[in-house]
Amino acid sequence: AQKVTQAQTEISVVEKEDVTLDCVYETRDTTYYLFWYKQPPSGELVFLIRRNSFDEQNEISGRYSWNFQKSTSSFNFTITASQVVDSAVYFCALIFNAGNNRKLIWGLGTSLAVNP
Amino acid sequence: DVKVTQSSRYLVKRTGEKVFLECVQDMDHENMFWYRQDPGLGLRLIYFSYDVKMKEKGDIPEGYSVSREKKERFSLILESASTNQTSMYLCASSLFWTGLSPLHFGNGTRLTVT
Repeated sequence: AQKVTQAQTEISVVEKEDVTLDCVYETRDTTYYLFWYKQPPSGELVFLIRRNSFDEQNEISGRYSWNFQKSTSSFNFTITASQVVDSAVYFCALIFNAGNNRKLIWGLGTSLAVNP
Repeated sequence: DVKVTQSSRYLVKRTGEKVFLECVQDMDHENMFWYRQDPGLGLRLIYFSYDVKMKEKGDIPEGYSVSREKKERFSLILESASTNQTSMYLCASSLFWTGLSPLHFGNGTRLTVT
């Protein structure tokens, strides 16, 4: 079965703490894509990163970093020195082949609260 | 920057009413999507469209229909609103539907059916 699991429903940290959001996926495909999106209180989901299955390089963008490990089927997201503006719901998503089409499935999201 | 605009932020309708949710994107994207978002259920795809006048059912199309007469506009229609359709509705668009391009979302419409 194709699946995305974000086991952490809610996380609460104090500003400047580092925090890691977990994402574990299941797919039979060898070619797939993984995404992270952020949904702040305003409601609009914002794209953060895309990774394809052939690119296991970790990525860093400012305070954000992503660790993609095919061996453990994980695509974890770390925020370093968290800030109040990082408070949001974060979604991990997977695109895989479904017959002649592609299908996008979402994790249920992790709600991150960064407290001052 | 891509802008996806949903016509209403909040909407309150009565059971049995016909409801139109409108979505417009300004980047000439081929693909547009309607999702609903509910606590504990995440995002669920209702319908998507990969071209004008083309549509495909998503995971939960029952009780909904869509219209795409122009490339930039994708409408979600609740033929006869019911209380179980109270939800947050999110519209999105993307350039490619192959995993090569991300989805761009609107701010959402929070619909309450009483």
